[in-house]
Amino acid sequence: DAKTTQPTSMDCAEGRAANLPCNHSTISGNEYVYWYRQIHSQGPQYIIHGLKNNETNEMASLIITEDRKSSTLILPHATLRDTAVYYCIVRVASGYSTLTFGKGTMLLVSP
Amino acid sequence: GAGVSQSPSNKVTEKGKDVELRCDPISGHTALYWYRQSLGQGLEFLIYFQGNSAPDKSGLPSDRFSAERTGGSVSTLTIQRTQQEDSAVYLCASSLVGIGGGADTQYFGPGTRLTVL
Repeated sequence: DAKTTQPTSMDCAEGRAANLPCNHSTISGNEYVYWYRQIHSQGPQYIIHGLKNNETNEMASLIITEDRKSSTLILPHATLRDTAVYYCIVRVASGYSTLTFGKGTMLLVSP
Repeated sequence: GAGVSQSPSNKVTEKGKDVELRCDPISGHTALYWYRQSLGQGLEFLIYFQGNSAPDKSGLPSDRFSAERTGGSVSTLTIQRTQQEDSAVYLCASSLVGIGGGADTQYFGPGTRLTVL
């Protein structure tokens, strides 16, 4: 799987949009971009994934650049409960593959 | 619907004892994974089950670790003769697509925190 690069930490004010960037310049055509997060002392939580097109669900939006070399996870109205480590992962589109988390981005949402 | 559940949530045991950890996957999910996560560390893959296929045991760290998945649903991870280095959070994940069907989105349980004294 391609390697990803994320900032170590980010801050966001409660109620504002949190925009978490991820670079994946070596991504292959058959690899998806996945986002998970892990709130302290909890299991990882799936957020969203995409291949080429932008995606939106009830939790977040995923914006993938046209060249697919980077993406941004957007939490439109961050709450204190969104404080967590966010992991951007690139995974092959078919078959199963085990998950490997890098360092991720520690997002701190403050009042 | 119900997510992945794991039990117990916490387990404290003495070195040398055996422990069993349980995972109930999301209903209908054919694939089941076990991982562990040590303090401040990333995920370490342990074992993978898919339907009736032979499990992928390539991540099990020693022969003290074993896992079963009965009836294609519930799974039990057993650690025999526990050691202090086995202390970690053991995570179970399940997914609907295991092999040859597109991206495999894994949903995790809350984990079992194992402490070996």
